[in-house]
Amino acid sequence: DAGITQSPRHKVTETGTPVTLRCHQTENHRYMYWYRQDPGHGLRLIHYSYGVKDTDKGEVSDGYSVSRSKTEDFLLTLESATSSQTSVYFCATGTSGGYNEQFFGPGTRLTVL
Amino acid sequence: GENVEQHPSTLSVQEGDSAVIKCTYSDSASNYFPWYKQELGKGPQLIIDIRSNVGEKKDQRIAVTLNKTAKHFSLHITETQPEDSAVYFCAASTAFNDYKLSFGAGTTVTVRA
Repeated sequence: DAGITQSPRHKVTETGTPVTLRCHQTENHRYMYWYRQDPGHGLRLIHYSYGVKDTDKGEVSDGYSVSRSKTEDFLLTLESATSSQTSVYFCATGTSGGYNEQFFGPGTRLTVL
Repeated sequence: GENVEQHPSTLSVQEGDSAVIKCTYSDSASNYFPWYKQELGKGPQLIIDIRSNVGEKKDQRIAVTLNKTAKHFSLHITETQPEDSAVYFCAASTAFNDYKLSFGAGTTVTVRA
C-alpha cells in the first residue's frame, strides 16, 4: 500500500458526535486524497490536498473538513456525524496531480448509528 | 462535472475465458483513463491506464481500448484466472478539473474454476 496507513480501521459512533480519521504516509507524496466508497457509487472524492496547508473540495465535501499540517499526515473530520456518512473511507496519495498513479490505503469502515 | 458509467455491475466468467468491462464518460475534455482493481478488504490498486493520444494499451493479459469519438473505453482480461476475481473500477480525469478522478460504480468479477 505504498506506505499508507489509516487509523482507526473501524469505528462505530453515534449521530451528532465529531469524528476524525487519520491518514499517514511515508512516501513523501505531495498529493493526498480522501474518498468515500458506497455500493453503487464507486469512489467519490471528498477533499484533496496538493501541499501542506493547501486543500480543496471534491464532489461530496459537505459535512467534511480536512487539515494537512505536515506532508505525511492528512486528517478528515466529520464535525457532526450523520447516518448518511456511514461508509468506507479511503485515503490515497500521489506524486503529482497529473497522469500519475494514486496509491490507496487500506480503508476505514465508519458506522454512524 | 464528469460522469462515468460502468457496465456490467457484476460479471461471472469461466476460468480461461475473457472478461470485458465497458465505461462511458461525459466530459469530452477527459484525457486520462486509469483502471483500478480492488481485492476484498483492501484499497484499490492501479492495473493499467491510458491517455487520450493512444487507442489501445496492453500489459500481459490485460488490455484497455479507448474510443474518443464515442467517449467510451474498455478493459479486456484474457485467459482469466481465479486471482482475477475482484472489483474493477474505471475512472476519468482532465487537466481542466485539476486531474481529479471520477470513478465508475465498479464491476465485481468472479472467475469460476
